[in-house]
Amino acid sequence: KAGVTQTPRYLIKTRGQQVTLSCSPISGHRSVSWYQQTPGQGLQFLFEYFSETQRNKGNFPGRFSGRQFSNSRSEMNVSTLELGDSALYLCASSLEIPSSPGYTFGSGTRLTVV
Amino acid sequence: AQSVTQPDIHITVSEGASLELRCNYSYGATPYLFWYVQSPGQGLQLLLKYFSGDTLVQGIKGFEAEFKRSQSSFNLRKPSVHWSDAAEYFCAVQGNTDKLIFGTGTRLQVFP
Repeated sequence: KAGVTQTPRYLIKTRGQQVTLSCSPISGHRSVSWYQQTPGQGLQFLFEYFSETQRNKGNFPGRFSGRQFSNSRSEMNVSTLELGDSALYLCASSLEIPSSPGYTFGSGTRLTVV
Repeated sequence: AQSVTQPDIHITVSEGASLELRCNYSYGATPYLFWYVQSPGQGLQLLLKYFSGDTLVQGIKGFEAEFKRSQSSFNLRKPSVHWSDAAEYFCAVQGNTDKLIFGTGTRLQVFP
């Protein structure tokens, strides 16, 4: 079956612009999480969505937002981009059942802010 | 607070040698534990996971990990490393809030 699909793979944006990243989870997975990976801060949790509701949020400014659609696809948006937002953004999906914890990750979107 | 510590930032081994990557966690109860591997420019691939039962867990690519509650550790091992194992390895804990908390990673370099 298809894995977690993230689009686009690479993105270059100018400071001050806004960006939208997309994630399609594995079929049947209803939980989608987003992580930011940078050399300095490592892997940091952004937020998690389940059945179109944000269930958990990390410690990021309000410029970072997300949503989940009825088909479980998710998008994250970053407004007023800053140079420090340059990172690999990873999406992960989960079956969300107690007997099978853990997440499957996509290949990520590499965002460069110039 | 939940946390994960990977004390080794960078490890170098010769191809064919054994490998052990260390991971210690802090969590009030028995957590769900994971090891992920990341090749340059790629996402995270799940190597193995532990959430109950046998404390020795077998994963993909010949890796295994042992959960030791008394030491709050979940070390990753492989008896014979291949050049293709060169990558970055992340230990993670998933607690009751469901989010994954990652260690800082261990970069593995393999020499022929």
